[in-house]
Amino acid sequence: GENVEQHPSTLSVQEGDSAVIKCTYSDSASNYFPWYKQELGKRPQLIIDIRSNVGEKKDQRIAVTLNKTAKHFSLHITETQPEDSAVYFCAGIFSSNTGKLIFGQGTTLQVKP
Amino acid sequence: EAQVTQNPRYLITVTGKKLTVTCSQNMNHEYMSWYRQDPGLGLRQIYYSMNVEVTDKGDVPEGYKVSRKEKRNFPLILESPSPNQTSLYFCASRLAGVGETQYFGPGTRLLVL
Repeated sequence: GENVEQHPSTLSVQEGDSAVIKCTYSDSASNYFPWYKQELGKRPQLIIDIRSNVGEKKDQRIAVTLNKTAKHFSLHITETQPEDSAVYFCAGIFSSNTGKLIFGQGTTLQVKP
Repeated sequence: EAQVTQNPRYLITVTGKKLTVTCSQNMNHEYMSWYRQDPGLGLRQIYYSMNVEVTDKGDVPEGYKVSRKEKRNFPLILESPSPNQTSLYFCASRLAGVGETQYFGPGTRLLVL
């Protein structure tokens, strides 16, 4: 069935370094892959997304790459800053019938000043 | 202001006492969902609705009920809450269509004693 695995569960980096979070999925009928950021005590908010017909998308310091053959997609954050510290969730929509968004387990990113 | 609202934000109750968490959106979104968030388990979908009077089970529907009598409202009902339903609950909504952004409500933190 549809499943999204996210790694690592926690990630600690020094300010200015890059951070990479990877997600793999099991269902090849994939359409759309958003990434959400959840700051402490707040709601998840969309930060970037990618469709299945695109291999890479960039927005300032964040980028997402998609490898459909290998069934994985990754979030890349460059020049990390303390305000990037949060929980990040990947997600995917695998059925256009239900439109159900399936989330990964989340990655807690800590950026040390 | 376009938003998803939930009430209450915090709730402490006792086992077996029926409760309802309300969710409302003012963006004319067709698709609405309820999630629960537990440490290490990410966001798990409880129920979703693709439009008025159309609801379906998500991944963890046991012990919950929903209704969608109006497009803007999607209440979550716990008929007989149990301690294992202690969690952080999020309502979310988006337009129908695979690549549409999903917006989350502020969350409801529930403690069942």
